[in-house]
Amino acid sequence: SQQGEEDPQALSIQEGENATMNCSYKTSINNLQWYRQNSGRGLVHLILIRSNEREKHSGRLRVTLDTSKKSSSLLITASRAADTASYFCATGGGSEKLVFGKGTKLTVNP
Amino acid sequence: DAGVTQSPTHLIKTRGQQVTLRCSPKSGHDTVSWYQQALGQGPQFIFQYYEEEERQRGNFPDRFSGHQFPNYSSELNVNALLLGDSALYLCASSLPSGQNEQFFGPGTRLTVL
Repeated sequence: SQQGEEDPQALSIQEGENATMNCSYKTSINNLQWYRQNSGRGLVHLILIRSNEREKHSGRLRVTLDTSKKSSSLLITASRAADTASYFCATGGGSEKLVFGKGTKLTVNP
Repeated sequence: DAGVTQSPTHLIKTRGQQVTLRCSPKSGHDTVSWYQQALGQGPQFIFQYYEEEERQRGNFPDRFSGHQFPNYSSELNVNALLLGDSALYLCASSLPSGQNEQFFGPGTRLTVL
């Protein structure tokens, strides 16, 4: 069963624009992680946000977490063609299993 | 610092055969998790190994089994392959305690004909 649900399922933007992806989950969490996957290969870890954090930044990435709404968002600013990938949120980590959503497929057009 | 490695990259098998996939964790990590990712879906947890024992298991049949070696590397074995086992198999490693990142390998693409 899938815990997280990303929204939208697909997103197409122009280079330089911002991309926002949302994730909702069902049960209480200790942390939430975002991953990127290029062309059906391995997942690259982007950022981990803990349940007591509300916002976290890493380079052009900004992640927010609202535990009262059981939701998180990933913002990629000033997008580049190289950001084209599928993005997944996942709850859990470390000794806990990761539970993924179906992902958002982002296309950044040059 | 070597990341998570997996072998082979691609594999083609026929129904009923058995397959073994291999994973070496990131340096310093001793927990290995395996995931199955069908096309267009998010990864699904198969099981996790720590101290050479299966610590958690997802909703997968007994045809899926694993092993962890003293050097923390791991194998995933699938018996009696079905067409539906065609997927990308991902290995992830992590530290066992606390809430830490899991780092993924490049995956093994298994095709069952």
